[in-house]
Amino acid sequence: GAVVSQHPSWVICKSGTSVKIECRSLDFQATTMFWYRQFPKQSLMLMATSNEGSKATYEQGVEKDKFLINHASLTLSTLTVTSAHPEDSSFYICSASHSGRALYEQFFGPGTRLTVL
Amino acid sequence: DQQVKQNSPSLSVQEGRISILNCDYTNSMFDYFLWYKKYPAEGPTFLISISSIKDKNEDGRFTVFLNKSAKHLSLHIVPSQPGDSAVYFCAASAGANSKLTFGKGITLSVRP
Repeated sequence: GAVVSQHPSWVICKSGTSVKIECRSLDFQATTMFWYRQFPKQSLMLMATSNEGSKATYEQGVEKDKFLINHASLTLSTLTVTSAHPEDSSFYICSASHSGRALYEQFFGPGTRLTVL
Repeated sequence: DQQVKQNSPSLSVQEGRISILNCDYTNSMFDYFLWYKKYPAEGPTFLISISSIKDKNEDGRFTVFLNKSAKHLSLHIVPSQPGDSAVYFCAASAGANSKLTFGKGITLSVRP
């Protein structure tokens, strides 16, 4: 149990286009989902926390208008990178917490590699 | 300011020997610590955790030690196996409703 999927696993897009990444909890309900990005040889940096049915909470320095997060159901959250630029190229990872469990009990998706040309 | 530090970027050990991965933290509010294992192009998978009320937690070949006074924890893997070769992240939380803060990770290579 506690499987989290991401789609797509990798994507290449042109500069200026928008890309949507989906994160799904396959066998549990996730009240809270998290979005991270990881640069090579760097830590996982939390971008935002999303709670089902409410607006996401963004970390300092993360542009909410650029990284749109929607958490419309207990099993699906989406991250849309709008007007992507080469500096947005990164590995994006989502995680999910069971409803009613501690937020540190996170189950991670396999990640999405975004390359912006 | 990095609150969770993994100062050694890499570690290489012989198969069968002990691997010791270190992690230091600066935030005294952290009360729960986790270790994750990550392969390239995959998400992290949970390995083992420890609450601040304990100083040791063991699960099979994996043991985590916590030294609160030194703000230091370590992950011991005994015996190390080639399949343990991966990046290991230390993470910390300041309570059940707090986010995770990750270190930069350490790349472990276990030589056959």
